[in-house]
Amino acid sequence: QKEVEQDPGPLSVPEGAIVSLNCTYSNSAFQYFMWYRQYSRKGPELLMYTYSSGNKEDGRFTAQVDKSSKYISLFIRDSQPSDSATYLCATQEGAGSYQLTFGKGTKLSVIP
Amino acid sequence: DAGITQSPRYKITETGRQVTLMCHQTWSHSYMFWYRQDLGHGLRLIYYSAAADITDKGEVPDGYVVSRSKTENFPLTLESATRSQTSVYFCASSDPGQSSGFYGYTFGSGTRLTVV
Repeated sequence: QKEVEQDPGPLSVPEGAIVSLNCTYSNSAFQYFMWYRQYSRKGPELLMYTYSSGNKEDGRFTAQVDKSSKYISLFIRDSQPSDSATYLCATQEGAGSYQLTFGKGTKLSVIP
Repeated sequence: DAGITQSPRYKITETGRQVTLMCHQTWSHSYMFWYRQDLGHGLRLIYYSAAADITDKGEVPDGYVVSRSKTENFPLTLESATRSQTSVYFCASSDPGQSSGFYGYTFGSGTRLTVV
């Protein structure tokens, strides 16, 4: 079993919908949890990260981590066509652990 | 320009040829990484480097060679290209946040390599 599992989708939603993207992980040592966004033919870019459990909000985006169930979520409110991209979750063990573990990514399309 | 740049953006090469993909970053980040991205496999780590002259294997190193003589450059060489090495290759760099220890990677735009 891969350490970070992510449903590849694709996921298609109408503009304005709330989007929920999810990952599960198996290594309880993970402490940092990230979401990267990758547009077509571009490199991934860091969207946001959280440390340990809890929520973090940035505009229309909310990242949520539940360490007890080893579940990572990204919510997008009022989704826009410009949100159409592949979203990758990633984890890091702890401060000083430089290697990230990536999910395979979920492809999202927001239809106008 | 500040950032991380990869070259070439696109490359077609023949089986058996040697090809080098270039990666240059302007931040003096200590860590640099090479990934390949394939449908169904996601990002897979090929090699990484913690500093100049320090490199180590990742998940899928076979058939690849790296070097890092300068902090800012991290070239990836395919010694004898095979069709299975057709992929999109991403270089990334990272440094821990000064207070948090968080290693957020910054990726280049990628090199799309086709081996025919």
